[in-house]
Amino acid sequence: DAKTTQPNSMESNEEEPVHLPCNHSTISGTDYIHWYRQLPSQGPEYVIHGLTSNVNNRMASLAIAEDRKSSTLILHRATLRDAAVYYCIPSGGGGGNKLTFGTGTQLKVEL
Amino acid sequence: DVKVTQSSRYLVKRTGEKVFLECVQDMDHENMFWYRQDPGLGLRLIYFSYDVKMKEKGDIPEGYSVSREKKERFSLILESASTNQTSMYLCASREGATEAFFGQGTRLTVV
Repeated sequence: DAKTTQPNSMESNEEEPVHLPCNHSTISGTDYIHWYRQLPSQGPEYVIHGLTSNVNNRMASLAIAEDRKSSTLILHRATLRDAAVYYCIPSGGGGGNKLTFGTGTQLKVEL
Repeated sequence: DVKVTQSSRYLVKRTGEKVFLECVQDMDHENMFWYRQDPGLGLRLIYFSYDVKMKEKGDIPEGYSVSREKKERFSLILESASTNQTSMYLCASREGATEAFFGQGTRLTVV
């Protein structure tokens, strides 16, 4: 499994953009980069994933470095409901498609 | 609305009891997973299953077993519960390398 490095915590003000970085320098060529988040007292929920190109969905954008050794999750306008732990997870099609979670980044959003 | 349902939200069991944690998904997913989550340790994979009657050990299988007799149901079994198995248990399901869906979790206390 590829190792990931994320900041332990980040802070943002409400309605400002947030850029959450992740380093995954040992990622294999077939691994997708997945992002999940976990709100307090809930199970993790899917945010976004991508392989090589930048990706957008209703929740966030994912910017992937050209060498795929790092990626950035972008929340365009943070809200209080975005306060959560965000996990970056390289995951490929083998190994039963398991997801290996690191310790993630705790995002705090303030008014 | 897709769902992964865990049979109990909170459970209290005595040391030495045999404990069953049940998980049901309604998405016809091939892959199902059991994690436990502890403060400071994040989510750790206990077991996963990629097909009916198929299972593989995760990172911390000791003291646990699993059963998958039907595609939609994946059970985690604590053969003889111990206090160090007090934890939050999370079930997930996934089709291939697509997004995973998690249950709300079962908070198990062993006394």
